[in-house]
Amino acid sequence: EPEVTQTPSHQVTQMGQEVILRCVPISNHLYFYWYRQILGQKVEFLVSFYNNEISEKSEIFDDQFSVERPDGSNFTLKIRSTKLEDSAMYFCASWADSSYEQYFGPGTRLTVT
Amino acid sequence: DQQVKQNSPSLSVQEGRISILNCDYTNSMFDYFLWYKKYPAEGPTFLISISSIKDKNEDGRFTVFLNKSAKHLSLHIVPSQPGDSAVYFCAAVFLDTGNQFYFGTGTSLTVIP
Repeated sequence: EPEVTQTPSHQVTQMGQEVILRCVPISNHLYFYWYRQILGQKVEFLVSFYNNEISEKSEIFDDQFSVERPDGSNFTLKIRSTKLEDSAMYFCASWADSSYEQYFGPGTRLTVT
Repeated sequence: DQQVKQNSPSLSVQEGRISILNCDYTNSMFDYFLWYKKYPAEGPTFLISISSIKDKNEDGRFTVFLNKSAKHLSLHIVPSQPGDSAVYFCAAVFLDTGNQFYFGTGTSLTVIP
């Protein structure tokens, strides 16, 4: 069964540092998403990406965040200058548009100290 | 704004009985509704979906009911099994260019053997 993979599984960084979270979506999917879940809270939409550009972003996705699809397989989320409140699980998801099932990756736990 | 709400943070059910998880939404323009199941340290996995033009969809032990007039959907699991113990998220999506998925806060289901 196809799956979305994410690396690393856990990233610890100091406040103010840049982090890049990596995702490999399912190969024939066209829509890509990043979500985050702060401990004990709901899954929050960050950004959707289609046709090599951001199609929608939430108010959480400010100038500190960026996404990129640097090659045909990877989809990355960069946080330029991490804050303590960026500590969360970050989930990548992809979607084929032929069904309404988003496939989620296992998540990257980001801890900002 | 919380467009999708799950008002019960937790639910405990005896094995073999029915589990009913509830979800309310505020925007009548949503096109599709989905239920996801999430185990600790894993990403959400898709369970079942329903189009806004239908009122019921069934897949094995899982049935989703949609009441558009009440802006309410529910997931029924019959019979409940211990392996169903997980956090269940409902989600809704507008099928436009952004295809943003909105998630509820989740309900933690415990099925007691």
